[in-house]
Amino acid sequence: EAGVAQSPRYKIIEKRQSVAFWCNPISGHATLYWYQQILGQGPKLLIQFQNNGVVDDSQLPKDRFSAERLKGVDSTLKIQPAKLEDSAVYLCASSLNQGSGSPLHFGNGTRLTVT
Amino acid sequence: DQQVKQNSPSLSVQEGRISILNCDYTNSMFDYFLWYKKYPAEGPTFLISISSIKDKNEDGRFTVFLNKSAKHLSLHIVPSQPGDSAVYFCAASGNFGNEKLTFGTGTRLTIIP
Repeated sequence: EAGVAQSPRYKIIEKRQSVAFWCNPISGHATLYWYQQILGQGPKLLIQFQNNGVVDDSQLPKDRFSAERLKGVDSTLKIQPAKLEDSAVYLCASSLNQGSGSPLHFGNGTRLTVT
Repeated sequence: DQQVKQNSPSLSVQEGRISILNCDYTNSMFDYFLWYKKYPAEGPTFLISISSIKDKNEDGRFTVFLNKSAKHLSLHIVPSQPGDSAVYFCAASGNFGNEKLTFGTGTRLTIIP
């Protein structure tokens, strides 16, 4: 099966600019996640979708970050305006369902550098 | 607050020997634990998991041990192979995996040929 696809792989922007990341999950996977991984730390959940509904966005900085999952398939994560501390790898993951029987499948991530 | 801790940022092990990676957690509501492996420039991949109703789970060369009273788990890899060189993340969840995963900071394992 094809894995989780993410684009772009790398992005460099200046602070206060905006940026968007795209994710295409594994076909049939109902649950989609966006994680932020800052250098030297573990991945931190930003938002979780079940189909096209939000399950958990408690750690999403909603003043600058937004995400949507149209038609319950692809998803985009946007940052506007970016800050220096947003420099990180943004990982998209999907799972068949939510829960212990469905491990997360991660994409290769988008490395964002904010200068 | 770091609810899942991996106190060893790095570990080097001779090929063929046993690798032991450790993880501690503080949240007593966690009852489902996973290990993910990450190569450079790739996303993490699922390795093995364990529920709190067990104290051991084995899959080939990989075994995870859970000590609930100590809030500690460990991943054993035996024998270690060069392809095992990667960063290993411990993760934990509540409600038997139905809640969000909390990841540790990772341990970089290097297998020396």
